[in-house]
Amino acid sequence: KQEVTQIPAALSVPEGENLVLNCSFTDSAIYNLQWFRQDPGKGLTSLLLIQSSQREQTSGRLNASLDKSSGRSTLYIAASQPGDSATYLCAPHAGGTSYGKLTFGQGTILTVHP
Amino acid sequence: SAVISQKPSRDICQRGTSLTIQCQVDSQVTMMFWYRQQPGQSLTLIATANQGSEATYESGFVIDKFPISRPNLTFSTLTVSNMSPEDSSIYLCSARGTGVEGYTFGSGTRLTVV
Repeated sequence: KQEVTQIPAALSVPEGENLVLNCSFTDSAIYNLQWFRQDPGKGLTSLLLIQSSQREQTSGRLNASLDKSSGRSTLYIAASQPGDSATYLCAPHAGGTSYGKLTFGQGTILTVHP
Repeated sequence: SAVISQKPSRDICQRGTSLTIQCQVDSQVTMMFWYRQQPGQSLTLIATANQGSEATYESGFVIDKFPISRPNLTFSTLTVSNMSPEDSSIYLCSARGTGVEGYTFGSGTRLTVV
């Protein structure tokens, strides 16, 4: 059974800092991995999708890397802004007979102070 | 990527009653899923909604409690039956398209059972 751990659980930083959010997963036989953000009481917004053949993906100030063999992914946020405050979730996509299923970690709660 | 309209966005229900949540996707999608997010927790997969056949439920979730319909490739419903306060959660639907855009989520339904 896939288990996902995200570190740190919470992070509070001043505006402008560069951040690193970590995600580890126990079953490396994944298909893809996706990073989401969730604002309080809301649904999930997709940030980045890293396909199994890729090592990293970039979108604006966000960069995500994936090392399937070690079961790790990292989300890097450059020049953080108060609008980045949210919960960040990583979700490996299962392959094989469990194709299509996402497993979520507890997330990293990010607060960026003006 | 697919856009999902989910409704209702929130509801307060009496215990013992049922609530049906609807998700409409703006394009045909191959896979649809339903998740539950209990207060302060991450997302847990309830079931995969299969078009034209019975849903596939995860361990701990049963059809009598969470009946699901998926009459076509763009629409699905989840019913929370015979509700108790323990069912108070956010319920989210998700879809995966035919491309490589990953998974999209609806905005969620915040359910409170009193």
